[in-house]
Amino acid sequence: GAVVSQHPSRVICKSGTSVKIECRSLDFQATTMFWYRQFPKQSLMLMATSNEGSKATYEQGVEKDKFLINHASLTLSTLTVTSAHPEDSSFYICSARPPGTVGYEQYFGPGTRLTVT
Amino acid sequence: GDSVTQMEGPVTLSEEAFLTINCTYTATGYPSLFWYVQYPGEGLQLLLKATKADDKGSNKGFEATYRKETTSFHLEKGSVQVSDSAVYFCALAGGTNAGKSTFGDGTTLTVKP
Repeated sequence: GAVVSQHPSRVICKSGTSVKIECRSLDFQATTMFWYRQFPKQSLMLMATSNEGSKATYEQGVEKDKFLINHASLTLSTLTVTSAHPEDSSFYICSARPPGTVGYEQYFGPGTRLTVT
Repeated sequence: GDSVTQMEGPVTLSEEAFLTINCTYTATGYPSLFWYVQYPGEGLQLLLKATKADDKGSNKGFEATYRKETTSFHLEKGSVQVSDSAVYFCALAGGTNAGKSTFGDGTTLTVKP
């Protein structure tokens, strides 16, 4: 149980275009999902907390107009990188927490490698 | 705020060697502690967890004990395999930042045959 998927696994886009990344909880409903960014050989940086039916909560320093998050249903959250630039190239990982979890563990998607050319 | 400090890597071991990766934390309240593992090109997988002091989490031969007196959660394995090569992250949740998780910087383990 507790499987989280992401799509696509890899995407290459041109500078100035937008790209959407989907995160789905496959066998549970997730009222809260998290979006992280990971740079090479570095730890995860929390970008935002995605809340079903309400606005996402962004971490300090993360541009909400650039990284649009929509949590449209209890099993789907999307991250749209708008007007992407090469510096947005990174590994983006989502996670979710099944309801009733004792101890706050998270289940992670496999990640999306974004390359902006 | 909360913080997690991990032993710096990379760590290189021979197969069947004993592994310890140190992790200490700072948090208020009573956080839960976790070890996650990340294989190349993949997301993180929960390896083990402990939700209260003196709890021992274990999985796949890995163990870690929640030591409140030393604010530590060191990861150990008695005999590593080549397939254990990965990046290991120590994390906490449920402390100052409630439901958010705080991660250490990760420790890269390479096991050679």
